[in-house]
Amino acid sequence: EAQVTQNPRYLITVTGKKLTVTCSQNMNHEYMSWYRQDPGLGLRQIYYSMNVEVTDKGDVPEGYKVSRKEKRNFPLILESPSPNQTSLYFCASSSQKFYGYTFGSGTRLTVV
Amino acid sequence: GESVGLHLPTLSVQEGDNSIINCAYSNSASDYFIWYKQESGKGPQFIIDIRSNMDKRQGQRVTVLLNKTVKHLSLQIAATQPGDSAVYFCAESLNRDDKIIFGKGTRLHILP
Repeated sequence: EAQVTQNPRYLITVTGKKLTVTCSQNMNHEYMSWYRQDPGLGLRQIYYSMNVEVTDKGDVPEGYKVSRKEKRNFPLILESPSPNQTSLYFCASSSQKFYGYTFGSGTRLTVV
Repeated sequence: GESVGLHLPTLSVQEGDNSIINCAYSNSASDYFIWYKQESGKGPQFIIDIRSNMDKRQGQRVTVLLNKTVKHLSLQIAATQPGDSAVYFCAESLNRDDKIIFGKGTRLHILP
């Protein structure tokens, strides 16, 4: 089944403790993105990648890092999480720029 | 999902009736538009897209209309079913910017 898989689905962590949210797609898509979704603010892009080793900032990149060492994986790294990064995170992939994104099921992160 | 927004615009439609969800987009230079559906607890799901050289496109039970003059996009769902209950997002893309900008969303509530 073609899908984008994120892990974990739920995570509660403490301020300052580094964490990684994994994202993997099995569709051989070139384009991948991370979004965060917050009440009243909708979906905002954090980082995106157009191919292996090619990443760029989205609209809200501060406090996040990404890497794209392999085509299928696009992990999101929070080096020192803060409470304002409490949010619902989505990874997405697409075969043609960002058209017709396939989204993962989301990771709900709480930073206390 | 429920975390999308506490005060989203809500459209209530009787089961079996047609639904029309509207969206005003921001950039007159946007050349690609997408509608996504997000059910509670899930990631956004692609429904239908349209390019700026078209003013109408039909899918299965859905039709998207684009009015570039007033920067307006609408999604029509025929014979609304309980499974259509979700938050619907429009999104726009400016090709050369390689970004997709999501709207805030509209919650569609189906009345029995």
